[in-house]
Amino acid sequence: QVQLVQSGAEVKKPGASVKVSCKASGYTFTSFDINWVRQAPGQGLEWMGWMNPNSGNTAYAQKFQGRVTMTRSTSITTAYMELSSLRSEDTAVYYCALVPTTVANWFDPWGQGTRVTVSS
Amino acid sequence: EIVLTQSPATLSVSPGERVTLSCRASQSVSSKLAWYQQKPGQAPRLLIYDVSTRATGIPARFSGSGSGTEFTLTISSLQSEDFAVYYCQQYNAWPLTFGGGAKVEIK
Repeated sequence: QVQLVQSGAEVKKPGASVKVSCKASGYTFTSFDINWVRQAPGQGLEWMGWMNPNSGNTAYAQKFQGRVTMTRSTSITTAYMELSSLRSEDTAVYYCALVPTTVANWFDPWGQGTRVTVSS
Repeated sequence: EIVLTQSPATLSVSPGERVTLSCRASQSVSSKLAWYQQKPGQAPRLLIYDVSTRATGIPARFSGSGSGTEFTLTISSLQSEDFAVYYCQQYNAWPLTFGGGAKVEIK
């Protein structure tokens, strides 16, 4: 079955960077886009950006422009999201999510989430 | 940016009751709206896409309706496993946006 498995929890200091991985299986990795969404503690969902695993093309939410980089390795069917210049407000659970169609942008399935804590 | 406003923010319901959740968009999203369910400590799960199409494995008690700027998620008879937070999401325009969520709790 289609599955996204993310890397484990991270604790980072302010100003550092974090790179979260998302291992895809059960489908052709280059066929569908992967998006990243985050959720701060007790808060709602916030879309961060999108990547096409075939071309490597990306688009980021304006809020994260300049701080986020989404990449992939097609050989190991893994997507990555790197966020730099971390601050306490970046403490959140980060999710990767598959867009299982080429004609719309709803998400199914989601990875299990990676908790990132930013603390001095 | 399209803002999605969900109401009510919290709903206290007894099992077996009918639940109606609203999602209002600041501008038309056509029929490009999805609903997700999230339980504590879990990732969101897709319930409905394209306003009214149930995702694979989603029970028939979940239904969606609406168009343009007004949308509704209905749970016809609430089961114990349905107590959760529900989010709407539009994919008609970039950036993709989510509503603030609606929590369905036990009365």
